[in-house]
Amino acid sequence: DAGVIQSPRHEVTEMGQEVTLRCKPISGHDYLFWYRQTMMRGLELLIYFNNNVPIDDSGMPEDRFSAKMPNASFSTLKIQPSEPRDSAVYFCASRTQGRYNEQFFGPGTRLTVL
Amino acid sequence: GENVEQHPSTLSVQEGDSAVIKCTYSDSASNYFPWYKQELGKRPQLIIDIRSNVGEKKDQRIAVTLNKTAKHFSLHITETQPEDSAVYFCADGGGYNKLIFGAGTRLAVHP
Repeated sequence: DAGVIQSPRHEVTEMGQEVTLRCKPISGHDYLFWYRQTMMRGLELLIYFNNNVPIDDSGMPEDRFSAKMPNASFSTLKIQPSEPRDSAVYFCASRTQGRYNEQFFGPGTRLTVL
Repeated sequence: GENVEQHPSTLSVQEGDSAVIKCTYSDSASNYFPWYKQELGKRPQLIIDIRSNVGEKKDQRIAVTLNKTAKHFSLHITETQPEDSAVYFCADGGGYNKLIFGAGTRLAVHP
């Protein structure tokens, strides 16, 4: 298995533009997590899905952020409009059922908003 | 709400010395505590975890201890090597299927 796949790996955009980050979880994994990592705030959970259904989006910073999981092999995190303070590394992670099971992280998307 | 405090934020040791990182959690119902290692520019990866039914777990040079009464757990790395240099995150898997991460500890091992 190729592991969790994220695209793009790097994104540079201008303030006000729409940004879409993509994630393909490991096949067979039931849970998918979106995290944001910054120096100031560390590793924050934004939202997670179970069997494609959003379970907890309490970490989503504001209405500019939205996430979808249309099927078991694909998820998107969208920011519209983007702002410079959204600059961060965004990680996607997935795991199987069972809360003691390891979360496998993707390589991350480094987002820079100018 | 859930909270995990991690100390120290930075740690510098000489190669061969031991390193200890400590975390405190707030949810008394928590019973799963993983540790992740993140090398520079890479993704976080699980290195060890512990459940509340044990007080200590070892895997070669790393070990984790858990004190449920005091609500804290620690990562111990013995005989440190330069390749141990990374950021280490503790996490509380207390409930609701999600992990709450500590702020991270940047470990530097000097040859």
